[in-house]
Amino acid sequence: NAGVTQTPKFQVLKTGQSMTLQCAQDMNHEYMSWYRQDPGMGLRLIHYSVGAGITDQGEVPNGYNVSRSTTEDFPLRLLSAAPSQTSVYFCASSYDRLEKLFFGSGTQLSVL
Amino acid sequence: GQQVMQIPQYQHVQEGEDFTTYCNSSTTLSNIQWYKQRPGGHPVFLIQLVKSGEVKKQKRLTFQFGEAKKNSSLHITATQTTDVGTYFCAGLGNTPLVFGKGTRLSVIA
Repeated sequence: NAGVTQTPKFQVLKTGQSMTLQCAQDMNHEYMSWYRQDPGMGLRLIHYSVGAGITDQGEVPNGYNVSRSTTEDFPLRLLSAAPSQTSVYFCASSYDRLEKLFFGSGTQLSVL
Repeated sequence: GQQVMQIPQYQHVQEGEDFTTYCNSSTTLSNIQWYKQRPGGHPVFLIQLVKSGEVKKQKRLTFQFGEAKKNSSLHITATQTTDVGTYFCAGLGNTPLVFGKGTRLSVIA
């Protein structure tokens, strides 16, 4: 099992560009989520999904879109990148929302 | 909304000293989870506590869940350099998992 796979590992964008962060898991987990991590701010939930076709907003959803067309994949889209979105992004999955999270290795995003 | 406070933000200890981080929730939790993140790495699950007053041990690590299910602690006995990292608590209530801001542990050999 690969676990949770995130791509890319690093990305530099210019303000206003759009991009998609990819996340895939091969553990047949129903629950998937995206977090951003900023210095001194811990992990803040952006969006989450309790199963294919179902998504919901977390604590900091503005500027991000998600979709969950399959159980395995949960991409995060930045619609128009802003410097405030410079952060490390983690995708995480679990069997269900009550269980422990498995994290991907993260994407370090810089928006200039 | 639900908030999870964690203190201290930083802790520097000499190798062999003990370390404790504390976590408090604004609401009653159904469970609390603890994660460790090594520098440059991703969070890794350590343990989950579910019952009121629960105490669990993993070698030198002791985890407690408060009687009111609103607070928790992680205690490390005789720290080692391998304990370096940031320790996060994460509370689960009616909302998805909410993480504390973490305690960054430095161990001086």
